[in-house]
Amino acid sequence: KQEVTQIPAALSVPEGENLVLNCSFTDSAIYNLQWFRQDPGKGLTSLLLIQSSQREQTSGRLNASLDKSSGRSTLYIAASQPGDSATYLCAVGNYGGATNKLIFGTGTLLAVQP
Amino acid sequence: NAGVTQTPKFRVLKTGQSMTLLCAQDMNHEYMYWYRQDPGMGLRLIHYSVGEGTTAKGEVPDGYNVSRLKKQNFLLGLESAAPSQTSVYFCASSFKAGGKNTGELFFGEGSRLTVL
Repeated sequence: KQEVTQIPAALSVPEGENLVLNCSFTDSAIYNLQWFRQDPGKGLTSLLLIQSSQREQTSGRLNASLDKSSGRSTLYIAASQPGDSATYLCAVGNYGGATNKLIFGTGTLLAVQP
Repeated sequence: NAGVTQTPKFRVLKTGQSMTLLCAQDMNHEYMYWYRQDPGMGLRLIHYSVGEGTTAKGEVPDGYNVSRLKKQNFLLGLESAAPSQTSVYFCASSFKAGGKNTGELFFGEGSRLTVL
């Protein structure tokens, strides 16, 4: 059974720092991996989607990497800003026929201090 | 762009009452999902649908029923609510490209349900 773990559970950094969020998964036979952002009381917003054949994806200040063999993904945030404060969720997709079932980690709560 | 819309956003029920959560998406997506989010447990898949008229069980389906009579709507029903169903419920959708599910999910803003 696929299990997804995110460490640390919470992180506080000063504005301007570069930071890395970690995600690990137990079964390397994945279809894809997604990073989401969730603001308090809101839904999830997809940040980056990495297909199993890819090693990384970039969007603006965000870079996500994927190493299937070691069961790890990282989300790198450059030059952090207070507006980056949110919970970041990692989700692994296991393709099951017609649909992609996501298994979520419990998230990392990020606080960027001005 | 509305995207994925959930109604209601908040609801309080008494044990044993029934209710339905409505999810509507205007992106013509083939696939739709219902998740619940509980502290310390992440999001867990309740039911999903791969197309109009189809539904399937996810990880935690007990106590819930779903229907997808129209492509744009996915309903989640609680027949007899229990306190263990107190949670935040999220609907999501994804689309097909190249004949396959892209796996990229678009979420609604959630429905917070409290069962007393």
